[in-house]
Amino acid sequence: QLQLQESGPGLVKPSETLSLTCTVSGGSISSSSYYWGWIRQPPGKGLEWIGSIYYSGSTYYNPSLKSRVTISVDTSKNQFSLKLSSVTAADTAVYYCARLGPAGTLAYWGQGTLVTVSS
Amino acid sequence: DIQMTQSPSTLSASVGDRVTITCRASQSISSWLAWYQQKPGKAPKLLIYKASSLESGVPSRFSGSGSGTEFTLTISSLQPDDFATYYCQQYNSFLTFGPGTKVDIK
Repeated sequence: QLQLQESGPGLVKPSETLSLTCTVSGGSISSSSYYWGWIRQPPGKGLEWIGSIYYSGSTYYNPSLKSRVTISVDTSKNQFSLKLSSVTAADTAVYYCARLGPAGTLAYWGQGTLVTVSS
Repeated sequence: DIQMTQSPSTLSASVGDRVTITCRASQSISSWLAWYQQKPGKAPKLLIYKASSLESGVPSRFSGSGSGTEFTLTISSLQPDDFATYYCQQYNSFLTFGPGTKVDIK
């Protein structure tokens, strides 16, 4: 059974860079059929797609966040990572990693990790 | 950018009720629409993909319909486990989620 697990600091200072890693188990991140993505959810609010990456390194990002986002992949560790720069309190959210199936369906999700931006 | 809207934002219903949630896209997305269920503190769960295809393991009381810009999620007979928030998501151009519909107990 495919499993995804987010990891990283739960507290980030304003203006700094948020960094998270998603570790995939029970399947290969190098599968040709899937993209891997990050989605976030501010407390009490809805879901926002951040961006996605293919195992080859090809990426696409939410245009509203593109200037601050970098997603990378490490196939040797079966991991992919998110960096979000210049964070503010508005970036406080639960961050989920997920696998994108054909045409963008999200059938597998991590449990989510809360990242709080505060000094 | 494609914008998604959902109605209603909150729906109060009783066990056994037939429930319908509507999702609209700001431009045609063909049938590239999915529905998710989310419970507090949990990740969303995929229910429906390609507008009307039921994800494996999802009860048949859930169904989806629509194409173009208007879509519906129907729960034929609401069960206690179905009280949750439901999101639509388009994947015609990047990914965008609707704002969600909370189904609570009447």
